[in-house]
Amino acid sequence: SQKIEQNSEALNIQEGKTATLTCNYTNYSPAYLQWYRQDPGRGPVFLLLIRENEKEKRKERLKVTFDTTLKQSLFHITASQPADSATYLCALSSSGGYNKLIFGAGTRLAVHP
Amino acid sequence: NAGVMQNPRHLVRRRGQEARLRCSPMKGHSHVYWYRQLPEEGLKFMVYLQKENIIDESGMPKERFSAEFPKEGPSILRIQQVVRGDSAAYFCASSPPGGFKGYNEQFFGPGTRLTVL
Repeated sequence: SQKIEQNSEALNIQEGKTATLTCNYTNYSPAYLQWYRQDPGRGPVFLLLIRENEKEKRKERLKVTFDTTLKQSLFHITASQPADSATYLCALSSSGGYNKLIFGAGTRLAVHP
Repeated sequence: NAGVMQNPRHLVRRRGQEARLRCSPMKGHSHVYWYRQLPEEGLKFMVYLQKENIIDESGMPKERFSAEFPKEGPSILRIQQVVRGDSAAYFCASSPPGGFKGYNEQFFGPGTRLTVL
């Protein structure tokens, strides 16, 4: 069955450093891979999408890579800030007209001043 | 433009009662998705609806759960005869019609946290 794995342990980093989160998947060939941010008690907020034929995508301090051979995505936050502390979710979907998302369990990021 | 609205935000039910969760999509959005999130787990797809139609309910439990998205009014996720295992956060997301190459960004509501005593 389809499986998405994200670092289950919380990631603790110092302010100003780059945070790198990993998303691995098996038994799936997604057309799209997305990253969401979720704060406690709130719904996920869309951050970035990358397509299967793209290697890298950037948006301000965020960068996503997508390696369909390794079946892995890396999510980077450069110059991290305490406000970046949240849980980050990886989600996959296939093409075909609508967007049923398959989510990983998320990785909690804590950025310390 | 208000975001996706869900109510109630918190719902407490006793075993055997019914739970009704409401979702009002963003203005202009005609696609609604429901997801369930158990503690320490990722969101799990339940059902995808367009106005008056259920398109994909492959994630819905076979019994006690139903969903609708009427022509007028919010989408409703209904859970009959709730059990403790139904305790979770239920999120609704909406997306606009169309989109390019089959992809439509989903906008999530704040969720309804259901607690079954």
